[in-house]
Amino acid sequence: DIQMTQSPSSLSASIGDRVTITCRASQSISSYLNWYQQKPGKAPKFLIYAASSLQSGVPSRFSGSGSETVFTLTISSLQPEDFATYYCQQSYSTPLTFGGGTKVEIK
Amino acid sequence: QDQLVESGGGVVQPGGSLRLSCAASGFTFTTFDMHWVRQAPGKGLEWVAVIRYDGTKEYYIDSVKGRFTISRDNSKNTLYLQMNSLRAEDTAVYYCAKDLRNVIGYASDIWGQGTMVTVSS
Repeated sequence: DIQMTQSPSSLSASIGDRVTITCRASQSISSYLNWYQQKPGKAPKFLIYAASSLQSGVPSRFSGSGSETVFTLTISSLQPEDFATYYCQQSYSTPLTFGGGTKVEIK
Repeated sequence: QDQLVESGGGVVQPGGSLRLSCAASGFTFTTFDMHWVRQAPGKGLEWVAVIRYDGTKEYYIDSVKGRFTISRDNSKNTLYLQMNSLRAEDTAVYYCAKDLRNVIGYASDIWGQGTMVTVSS
């Protein structure tokens, strides 16, 4: 199985900050990488697919990049509604696997 | 608008069985692969299974193989997860999710609200 490792596991940031979350795959997954946002008690929300393609309706302050084994999710200017936990997921092969999550908290 | 509504969760004893359902609306159910994803209390997301749009192929995480069965009834726009031989470690919120139908692998673009399964004596 492909292991996905996210860093950091949590971070504190202020409104307006630029935030970057890293996701590493245990083997090359090309661009088969998705990102999700989850708020407490809610279902995950789909943000990005194919490493860098923004899902329709997702604000443009979210962006994704990377390929092979290293990927990043960037929030260019953190907004109050962005405080949540973010997960990466590889879709290169089954079983699909998620990273452990990165909790973005208010500083 | 695309919507998924899960049902069937509850409390069950170890070794017991439960069947989850996921009713889909707002999109052409018959043309999309569908997933189950779970989340244990206070833990991260864990993908469980996927079924092809026509029901002809399924994939599972190893820990549920032989115990769980994903299926669908395209005439009823409904996805199922039959869970047998349940263990304490299966305790989680179970989400059904629609696949994006993307050329670059699977991706879950629409999620239900989740249904809680508790395995406890």
